[in-house]
Amino acid sequence: VQLVQSGAEVKKPGSSVKVSCKASRDTFRNYVVSWVRHVPGEGLQWMGQIIPAFRTTEYAQRFQDRVKFTADKSTNTAYMELSSLTSDDTAVYYCARQVGAVAGTLDYWGQGTLVTVSS
Amino acid sequence: DVVMTQSPLSLPVTVGQSASISCRSSHSLVDRDDNTHLTWFHQRPGQSPRRLIYKVSVRDSGVPDRFGGSGSGTDFTLKISRVEAEDVGLYYCMQGTHWPWTFGQGTRVDIK
Repeated sequence: VQLVQSGAEVKKPGSSVKVSCKASRDTFRNYVVSWVRHVPGEGLQWMGQIIPAFRTTEYAQRFQDRVKFTADKSTNTAYMELSSLTSDDTAVYYCARQVGAVAGTLDYWGQGTLVTVSS
Repeated sequence: DVVMTQSPLSLPVTVGQSASISCRSSHSLVDRDDNTHLTWFHQRPGQSPRRLIYKVSVRDSGVPDRFGGSGSGTDFTLKISRVEAEDVGLYYCMQGTHWPWTFGQGTRVDIK
């Protein structure tokens, strides 16, 4: 199982960032993809999920107004777009394969994408 | 949101000794199907988290049997018997029963 993410990004406050996560066809067809971020000093935060086969999404309330998950079935790639960035959004962003659409666990993780927000 | 509280936050250990990490949740993690979705991860510096244990005590393939998970309801423990140098890093618990899924703060294990 491999989840391969896009490279590091440096963004200005107020802008948006889009991170990609390329998965295997099996993952895209049969699993859920979660997005998690690791903010320095704050630990891991689950941002939400997308079921690529149906393109259905659920967002954690704290991110709901600013985040959008999408999935391209032709390339088996999931995307996370976060808008209105502030320095508090500086973090490593991970995609992970989720087992269980409602209750479950995360079994495999991408390598992470560092997003730095700085003026 | 369900709050996950780990202790200790820092754990210096001697190679060959055992180590225990506690994880407490603010709500019961038993779901309507009587499953308990408590997962443990290990993260080495510069790497992604790696799952060690899920559903409280089920060890992932390839995880040494030195790692054991136990607990129920709101109280869980990860025990590492005979710690090895490769076990250093951060350990996180995560609940996957209630949305949004939440993580403990992390416990840093290093070698004395």
